[in-house]
Amino acid sequence: DAGVIQSPRHEVTEMGQEVTLRCKPISGHDYLFWYRQTMMRGLELLIYFNNNVPIDDSGMPEDRFSAKMPNASFSTLKIQPSEPRDSAVYFCASSFFGGQGGELFFGEGSRLTVL
Amino acid sequence: DQQVKQNSPSLSVQEGRISILNCDYTNSMFDYFLWYKKYPAEGPTFLISISSIKDKNEDGRFTVFLNKSAKHLSLHIVPSQPGDSAVYFCAAIYGNKLVFGAGTILRVKS
Repeated sequence: DAGVIQSPRHEVTEMGQEVTLRCKPISGHDYLFWYRQTMMRGLELLIYFNNNVPIDDSGMPEDRFSAKMPNASFSTLKIQPSEPRDSAVYFCASSFFGGQGGELFFGEGSRLTVL
Repeated sequence: DQQVKQNSPSLSVQEGRISILNCDYTNSMFDYFLWYKKYPAEGPTFLISISSIKDKNEDGRFTVFLNKSAKHLSLHIVPSQPGDSAVYFCAAIYGNKLVFGAGTILRVKS
């Protein structure tokens, strides 16, 4: 049984370019989370969805960041335009019951480098 | 404004000894706490959790302690093994939001 699948695993791009990260959650999970990992701040919650609807996007750093979930099996995180300070590992996670006592299942992450 | 804090960036322990990882939180509304473990180039994986109505939970070599009055929790690993070397994240839940600390790198030396 497949876990959370993220693509690309690695992305190197130049400042100003658009970046799109993709996530396929575990089938049947109704919550999807996007996290960003940096050395300084650890794992930061960017946004989460319940039944494809964005519930809390207060962690999205700027208007340059946007996330969508057009259906239960696919989500994207887009950065436009990208900046060097966006370099980080971006994780997608899914779960049955959100965070309420429910375990989150993480993908392997997308490592983004913006030059 | 970090609501979950892991003040030790790293910890080094000899194989067979106890590893103690600490975590402090500021939000008294958190009602569930978890520890996740992360190996390089992999996503975090769930390790152990504790509800705010308990003060201890054990699972094999792993025990989590919660001190609500001090807003402090700790993870004990006994005995530590080289395979335990990883980054450990403390996390806390309020509503449906899972808030993580910055992580502690544990190195278990053989």
